[in-house]
Amino acid sequence: DTEVTQTPKHLVMGMTNKKSLKCEQHMGHRAMYWYKQKAKKPPELMFVYSYEKLSINESVPSRFSPECPNSSLLNLHLHALQPEDSALYLCASSQDGPVLREQDEQFFGPGTRLTVL
Amino acid sequence: DAKTTQPPSMDCAEGRAANLPCNHSTISGNEYVYWYRQIHSQGPQYIIHGLKNNETNEMASLIITEDRKSSTLILPHATLRDTAVYYCIVPRGGGKLIFGQGTELSVKP
Repeated sequence: DTEVTQTPKHLVMGMTNKKSLKCEQHMGHRAMYWYKQKAKKPPELMFVYSYEKLSINESVPSRFSPECPNSSLLNLHLHALQPEDSALYLCASSQDGPVLREQDEQFFGPGTRLTVL
Repeated sequence: DAKTTQPPSMDCAEGRAANLPCNHSTISGNEYVYWYRQIHSQGPQYIIHGLKNNETNEMASLIITEDRKSSTLILPHATLRDTAVYYCIVPRGGGKLIFGQGTELSVKP
């Protein structure tokens, strides 16, 4: 199984809602990532988890809260988002951690398309 | 961190080779060059990576110049399904992928 799955595929939420995005992989990967991609822009790294511990936070606002409950699952909790947070949210995983080797390719999921009204 | 420069767009005829260039003149000796692509509305897909030597896999070939300041991704027989944005990336320490603007490749019949 070389797949990263993300749910839901689409999400529409209001600015006062609380929602969560879910990512799952069963490749035994120990590093997992969240990226944000605005329309016609490249993906931007948000968070990196290595061995279930947050290792990189790219100065992401606190209204985005990541969680890694186990080595196969990665969540992104959303609260009090703004319309400008509407984007495609991509999850990825790679084989190694906690010292990430440059040789490790990242496997990406299909993304969750989020719309904040 | 090594920056990369790619042309914003390229066209290629179906069945012909697509040669996508990338400039990474500030690359350091132990940094790899990675290529990913993103087909519309999908997640990025790893293609190939290399350090010094040329590399080939079932998807593509990667040619790295001797001074390592530039590289070329070659899709030997482009198909319509190869239409995508292609990203050349030199990962930061720790494997962080910083995506540039990439090259939008259009394969035309």
